[in-house]
Amino acid sequence: DAGVTQTPRHEVAEKGQTIILKCEPVSGHNDLFWYRQTKIQGLELLSYFRSKSLMEDGGAFKDRFKAEMLNSSFSTLKIQPTEPKDSAVYLCASSFPRHYAEQFFGPGTRLTVL
Amino acid sequence: LAKTTQPPSMEAYEGQEVNVSCSHTNIATSEYIYWYRQVPHQGPQFIIQGYKDYVVNEVASLFISADRKLSTLSLPWVSLRDAAVYYCIVTGPNSAGNKLTFGIGTRVLVRP
Repeated sequence: DAGVTQTPRHEVAEKGQTIILKCEPVSGHNDLFWYRQTKIQGLELLSYFRSKSLMEDGGAFKDRFKAEMLNSSFSTLKIQPTEPKDSAVYLCASSFPRHYAEQFFGPGTRLTVL
Repeated sequence: LAKTTQPPSMEAYEGQEVNVSCSHTNIATSEYIYWYRQVPHQGPQFIIQGYKDYVVNEVASLFISADRKLSTLSLPWVSLRDAAVYYCIVTGPNSAGNKLTFGIGTRVLVRP
């Protein structure tokens, strides 16, 4: 069984650029989550979808971060424009709705903004 | 107030048993206890979950105190591959809007 797939694994961007991170959840999972992980803040939830509907849009991350789920097997996270403080690992996870606390995480995308 | 409190770090030698404690004094009746671990360069991985008493699977055991305010994750016979950050999370239906809140976890260092 394929787990959660994230691409690219590494991304380097110049300040002000637009970047798009991609995620494919586990087949059959209806819940999809985007997190950001840094050494200082730890894991922070950015967005949460249930059956493609946006349930949580991460409050503080609203203005430059936009997650979309175009179909049940693909999601993107756009950061526009990027800033150096966005340098972090971006993790995608998916789960069955009835077992939302048992999430399957992808390997993450390490973003460096120069 | 944080929902869970864990020691920031622990050390063990290969072959030893490691017990990672987690305090959750305000746990609600509807809430369960979940443990995840994260090794470098990978996302967190679900290990085990429990409500009360004792749960065991192929990876770990979970002991939950009678009043459910304390739980202990037990890793038997640790190897170098068990070196990771271990997160204890308390959540339940409707208690967190179907979200997980990860704290700083416990960094387990395994020495050969």
